[in-house]
Amino acid sequence: AQSVTQPDIHITVSEGASLELRCNYSYGATPYLFWYVQSPGQGLQLLLKYFSGDTLVQGIKGFEAEFKRSQSSFNLRKPSVHWSDAAEYFCAVGARDYKLSFGAGTTVTVRA
Amino acid sequence: KAGVTQTPRYLIKTRGQQVTLSCSPISGHRSVSWYQQTPGQGLQFLFEYFSETQRNKGNFPGRFSGRQFSNSRSEMNVSTLELGDSALYLCASSLGTGLLYEQYFGPGTRLTVT
Repeated sequence: AQSVTQPDIHITVSEGASLELRCNYSYGATPYLFWYVQSPGQGLQLLLKYFSGDTLVQGIKGFEAEFKRSQSSFNLRKPSVHWSDAAEYFCAVGARDYKLSFGAGTTVTVRA
Repeated sequence: KAGVTQTPRYLIKTRGQQVTLSCSPISGHRSVSWYQQTPGQGLQFLFEYFSETQRNKGNFPGRFSGRQFSNSRSEMNVSTLELGDSALYLCASSLGTGLLYEQYFGPGTRLTVT
């Protein structure tokens, strides 16, 4: 069965500083990997996804993620955070015809 | 283009009652998926409908059911509500079935069971 671990429940970062959110997955085959963001009172918005090919994936809002098969990881990064990046971030894994399994989420707080 | 809409946005029910939640997908989208989000269990997949047929189902009891209409609108029903059913229920629509198609999420329906 597929599963996702996000080791950090909560991260606080200063505005303008870099951000990295960790994601480790467990899946028997080549996974489909996703990062979503959820702002308070909102649904989920897709930031980026990895299916195959280049292991460094660019997404929206200046985010990128790197797929590392040897480490079963798909960490999300942003070089310089903005106050509007404060939200909850979810990593998810799935197979082509199956639905997503989500991690528990990481809440990001941005301090001025 | 209008996004995914869910009604109602907030709902309070009593234990033992039943509830129906509605989801209108983005125009042209034929797949609708439902997820339950709780602080304890996180985001869990409930089921997916495509062209009025249930295509996938998560590990939820039979009290949770759904259906999809010919216009792709979907409803989700929970019977004999329990306190643990209190959650944010999210609906997502996509053009087709399978993860190659991006899912667009609605704002959710917050269900409180007392």
